[in-house]
Amino acid sequence: AQKVTQAQTEISVVEKEDVTLDCVYETRDTTYYLFWYKQPPSGELVFLIRRNSFDEQNEISGRYSWNFQKSTSSFNFTITASQVVDSAVYFCALSERNSGYSTLTFGKGTMLLVSP
Amino acid sequence: NAGVTQTPKFRILKIGQSMTLQCTQDMNHNYMYWYRQDPGMGLKLIYYSVGAGITDKGEVPNGYNVSRSTTEDFPLRLELAAPSQTSVYFCASARQGQDSNQPQHFGDGTRLSIL
Repeated sequence: AQKVTQAQTEISVVEKEDVTLDCVYETRDTTYYLFWYKQPPSGELVFLIRRNSFDEQNEISGRYSWNFQKSTSSFNFTITASQVVDSAVYFCALSERNSGYSTLTFGKGTMLLVSP
Repeated sequence: NAGVTQTPKFRILKIGQSMTLQCTQDMNHNYMYWYRQDPGMGLKLIYYSVGAGITDKGEVPNGYNVSRSTTEDFPLRLELAAPSQTSVYFCASARQGQDSNQPQHFGDGTRLSIL
């Protein structure tokens, strides 16, 4: 079985602060994929990033960056200079192959509240 | 391009009633999924399908049924609605190869209340 842990249930910051959302995963697979999704208050799920287990390079996209560390089984997400529009629930997810088919296991999510 | 379309957006059911949540995608994706999202619990997989005619159970399949007669459609059926099925339901689709794990595209969700 695989497991994704997002220990931070809710984080509150003031605009322009940097914030890091933690994600720790467990898997026995040697090949796996990790994802981050954003769920704004409007409710839809928005894909942010995918990372495979062989690519440990950090990635930066504008104010977003991701730090993948296989040694600690973590895939953390940092928002630099947070903005009110970043307020959302953020989900980390791990791919799983059941009988050779791809499915996702989600963490419980971290609610980020950015106040002006 | 509509992506993944779910209907209805909201529904209230009485205990014991049945209903079908509709999901259709226009991206020619082979994989389709149904999740439920309960407050503070993330998304849990109910059923998934890897192609027309092929479905399989996810983590929480009890009380639900699915079918996949076409590539585009993946309806979720509740036969005897129970209060425990009050949730937000998301349908998703993806194009997966044998070794790929492409991002899933999600519909906007169906908010279902069982009273």
